[in-house]
Amino acid sequence: GNSVTQMEGPVTLSEEAFLTINCTYTATGYPSLFWYVQYPGEGLQLLLKATKADDKGSNKGFEATYRKETTSFHLEKGSVQVSDSAVYFCAPPNRDDKIIFGKGTRLHILP
Amino acid sequence: DAGVTQSPTHLIKTRGQQVTLRCSPKSGHDTVSWYQQALGQGPQFIFQYYEEEERQRGNFPDRFSGHQFPNYSSELNVNALLLGDSALYLCASSSQGQETQYFGPGTRLLVL
Repeated sequence: GNSVTQMEGPVTLSEEAFLTINCTYTATGYPSLFWYVQYPGEGLQLLLKATKADDKGSNKGFEATYRKETTSFHLEKGSVQVSDSAVYFCAPPNRDDKIIFGKGTRLHILP
Repeated sequence: DAGVTQSPTHLIKTRGQQVTLRCSPKSGHDTVSWYQQALGQGPQFIFQYYEEEERQRGNFPDRFSGHQFPNYSSELNVNALLLGDSALYLCASSSQGQETQYFGPGTRLLVL
C-alpha cells in the first residue's frame, strides 16, 4: 500500500520564519497527495492537495508541489504565524481510499 | 453546508462497558471512515462503510463494529472497553470514487 515518511519534529520556529516540513512517499501509481492539519484539541482539516505530478497545492499561505522524480511533497510557508502551531500530516490515500497516517510533525511557533 | 458532525464530543466510560459514537457525513457524501487517534499518534484506520456495508477494515479486533444507515450516517460501537481504547475517534466522509476525505471534530473517549 501507499505510505509516507515525514519528519516527526517537534519543529520549533520563531514567528515570520520560513517553514519546510519534508514528506516523501511510496505509492502505487500516481495518487493524489494531501496535507492535513490538526490544531490543538481539534479534528483533522484538509490543508491542501495535489492531484497529479508537478501540481502545486496551496492554502492559507502554505504550498506543496507533487514531485514525481523525488517522490516528495514537502510543505512550505514563507512566513509562519503563532496560529500555525499544530500537527501536520502528509498522506496519500490508498487505492481503497483508507488513509495510512504517520505520527505527523508537531510545529511550535514562538512569538 | 454542514460539514462532518460527530456526537458526543466527550465521553467517559469504565472498563467493560460499551459505547456508541455517531457521525453524520458532509452533505452529498456517501462513504464514512472511522479512525482512532491515541494521544501523540497519528490516526489509525478502523473501517469504512459504503452502501450500508463494511467495505474495508483495519487491524482492529471484533470488539469494534459499525453500522451505516440509509441516510449515510454511521455509528461506531466498541464493546468490552479497555483502558487502551481511550483515544480521539475521528469520522471522515467522502464521495465514492473521490479521494478527498473530510474529517469531523472527533469524539474524545476516556476509559477509566
